[in-house]
Amino acid sequence: SQQGEEDPQALSIQEGENATMNCSYKTSINNLQWYRQNSGRGLVHLILIRSNEREKHSGRLRVTLDTSKKSSSLLITASRAADTASYFCATDRGSNYKLTFGKGTLLTVNP
Amino acid sequence: DVKVTQSSRYLVKRTGEKVFLECVQDMDHENMFWYRQDPGLGLRLIYFSYDVKMKEKGDIPEGYSVSREKKERFSLILESASTNQTSMYLCASSLGQGLLFEQFFGPGTRLTVL
Repeated sequence: SQQGEEDPQALSIQEGENATMNCSYKTSINNLQWYRQNSGRGLVHLILIRSNEREKHSGRLRVTLDTSKKSSSLLITASRAADTASYFCATDRGSNYKLTFGKGTLLTVNP
Repeated sequence: DVKVTQSSRYLVKRTGEKVFLECVQDMDHENMFWYRQDPGLGLRLIYFSYDVKMKEKGDIPEGYSVSREKKERFSLILESASTNQTSMYLCASSLGQGLLFEQFFGPGTRLTVL
């Protein structure tokens, strides 16, 4: 079963707007990561947030983590057409090696 | 930059054929992974390896095997391909143990089994 579940499944916005994607998970985690996948390509790591962190920034990306609600959000500010991609959260389920990926949010940024 | 390469971007095979998918990483990473990605199901882990000649089953290992004879190379083997193994296959690697390390992905191999 999936550990992380992204919401919404699809999101369409205009260039310049902000995009927010959410991830919920079921069991305790040590870390949570966000990845981006452009159509038909491999995934690219965006950001890692540890279970003892509440917020992290990287450029136009802001990630929050609420362990009490077992949820994380990814905010992309001032979106660009190049941000069009699928975004996945990945959690570790407490394992040393294995990441479990959600099904992803498809973000479309219209010029 | 870390580079993870996969032997083919597109592959078409027939039912019953033995299929080899090759993955090579160039940054001396300890861990390597094979996933398959299907619409509506996301990424699912097939096998991973944390050292040469070491392997562990992921969530969906049935119908697959793996080989890691050299640190930089991790092969996924479909012993007898079936149509339900038509999928996108993604290889990844990461430095060191534990999940403080990001995974670096290859471009993927889209396999079609007829």
